[in-house]
Amino acid sequence: EVQLVESGGGTVRPGGSVRLSCAASGFTFEDYGMSWVRQAPGKGLEWVSGIYWNGDTTGYADSVKGRFTISRDNDKNSLYLQMNSLRAEDTAFYYCAKNTGPYLDTYFDFRGQGTLVTVSS
Amino acid sequence: EIVLTQSPATLSLSPGERATLSCRASQSVSNYLAWYQQKPGQAPRLLITDASNRATGIPARFSGSGSGTDFTLTISSLEPEDCGVYFCQQQANFLTFGGGTKVEI
Repeated sequence: EVQLVESGGGTVRPGGSVRLSCAASGFTFEDYGMSWVRQAPGKGLEWVSGIYWNGDTTGYADSVKGRFTISRDNDKNSLYLQMNSLRAEDTAFYYCAKNTGPYLDTYFDFRGQGTLVTVSS
Repeated sequence: EIVLTQSPATLSLSPGERATLSCRASQSVSNYLAWYQQKPGQAPRLLITDASNRATGIPARFSGSGSGTDFTLTISSLEPEDCGVYFCQQQANFLTFGGGTKVEI
């Protein structure tokens, strides 16, 4: 069974940094692209960032470009999101998602509970 | 950026009734559209891919149709557990989601 366990969320001050992690199991991690999708409390879904199966190509939403960095470690079956220069509007639940294919043009298989990042002074 | 507009915002129906949810794209996405269901406190669940293909384990009462700019998710006979918010998402040009339709039963 596919499992994705997000961690690393919490409360951080504006301008601060946080690193999210996602531990994957139940599938061949290195065969799939992966993404981060966020949802502000009570709001809709927003794709944040994605990464190819091999880590060679990444993509970012304009709202986070230059501030967030996605990475993966296929040996550890793990996905990461380094979030810098955080703003109040980054407050959201962050979901790790398995892409339905190896690249970034994809749908999402959500199997975790998400991790909440709150940006507040 | 392709904008997806979902309607209605809220749909209130009784068990056994048919639900019809709409997703309209600001430009053609061909058939590169998915539907998700999200229940309170849970992550979204993938229901439909490529406009009309049910994802693994999704009951047959869920069906998708459409192409180009107009898409429909139909729940043929509502069950109490079908309540939640339904989102559409396109992958034709970048990745965007619709604003959601809340289904109340």
